[in-house]
Amino acid sequence: GAVVSQHPSRVICKSGTSVKIECRSLDFQATTMFWYRQFPKQSLMLMATSNEGSKATYEQGVEKDKFLINHASLTLSTLTVTSAHPEDSSFYICSARADGNSPLHFGNGTRLTVT
Amino acid sequence: QQQVKQSPQSLIVQKGGISIINCAYENTAFDYFPWYQQFPGKGPALLIAIRPDVSEKKEGRFTISFNKSAKQFSLHIMDSQPGDSATYFCAASRFNDYKLSFGAGTTVTVRA
Repeated sequence: GAVVSQHPSRVICKSGTSVKIECRSLDFQATTMFWYRQFPKQSLMLMATSNEGSKATYEQGVEKDKFLINHASLTLSTLTVTSAHPEDSSFYICSARADGNSPLHFGNGTRLTVT
Repeated sequence: QQQVKQSPQSLIVQKGGISIINCAYENTAFDYFPWYQQFPGKGPALLIAIRPDVSEKKEGRFTISFNKSAKQFSLHIMDSQPGDSATYFCAASRFNDYKLSFGAGTTVTVRA
């Protein structure tokens, strides 16, 4: 079945540095990918919709300059957390679908810890 | 504003029992209702999904019941097994945009 791969699975960085998270669709082309954030024991909150070849669409309250999204190809979207701070520590999850009739598949998430 | 309300927050069921999780939505434009299963440290995995044109969908031990007039849908896990212990999320969206709104999640613990 469709697989979405996310890398890295865990990352620890120092406050003020930037971290890049990759999301790849392994066996299908994804024109649209979504990035979610999940705090411990809480639900998934949609951060942004990533569209191949165009600018991402951010949800209300999400800082686009802090969470840079690039969807340069049909199989890869990246999320860069810039100038990370401890409050950015969270579980970041991407998802992708092949087309409008296909289900949404999620990656295994990236645990970001900012010290 | 949470567009999908999910209950209970957690439940404990004996092996072989039935787990029931309920969700309610507000946005009448929603026409796609999936359920996801999530294990600790992993991303959600699609379990089963339903469209409003049917009132029930069954896949193995998992059944979705859908009540369009009440704007409610539920997940039933029959013959619950310890391996079913996980957090379950209901979600809703318009079918053509997949911008899922998730419920708060239900942690299910199945005791052997």
